Amino acid sequence: DQQVKQNSPSLSVQEGRISILNCDYTNSMFDYFLWYKKYPAEGPTFLISISSIKDKNEDGRFTVFLNKSAKHLSLHIVPSQPGDSAVYFCAASYQGGSEKLVFGKGTKLTVNP
Amino acid sequence: KAGVTQTPRYLIKTRGQQVTLSCSPISGHRSVSWYQQTPGQGLQFLFEYFSETQRNKGNFPGRFSGRQFSNSRSEMNVSTLELGDSALYLCASSLARPAETQYFGPGTRLLVL
Repeated sequence: DQQVKQNSPSLSVQEGRISILNCDYTNSMFDYFLWYKKYPAEGPTFLISISSIKDKNEDGRFTVFLNKSAKHLSLHIVPSQPGDSAVYFCAASYQGGSEKLVFGKGTKLTVNP
Repeated sequence: KAGVTQTPRYLIKTRGQQVTLSCSPISGHRSVSWYQQTPGQGLQFLFEYFSETQRNKGNFPGRFSGRQFSNSRSEMNVSTLELGDSALYLCASSLARPAETQYFGPGTRLLVL
């Protein structure tokens, strides 16, 4: 039973445009969400997080939106750059539970020059 | 502050052998989690250690085990290797709880022949 789903295995965008990566979750107890970026042969790098008490969090070119009623979050990258080409993982956790991060399977983003 | 380090970075073993991987967390971090990444499967949680105790365990067979030392360094061991164990093994550390932001090492690439 996959609790965190990234339904698009891949996404291709043009440099300078917006990249939107989506993530859905099924466990309504999740209250903390993170996005990680991963290059081949490297470990994931933390990008941005959001708590369930907020619906938006920004950090430079990266913005994460959380829609609790839809159990959906998205990562917006504006403007997209070729260096953003990587696999992006969504992860979720909840307080008082098993206290582990649950990851989606990732979306491979390709930003074309 | 130094990041999470993992050794070795690459390893080739044959079926039936055993292997030990090492992880040194960020200084001050006491929680260490291990993940297996295979193509198309995302990050699958193996186990998490805190204060030398295993707090969480994923759905992996008993051939996968780990431990944590008093300095928070952790090792994982895989016995009786199978071809399907070929993967990138990632270690992540966090201050105290795995449900908070985790910081990943570069991983150990294991190839089982």
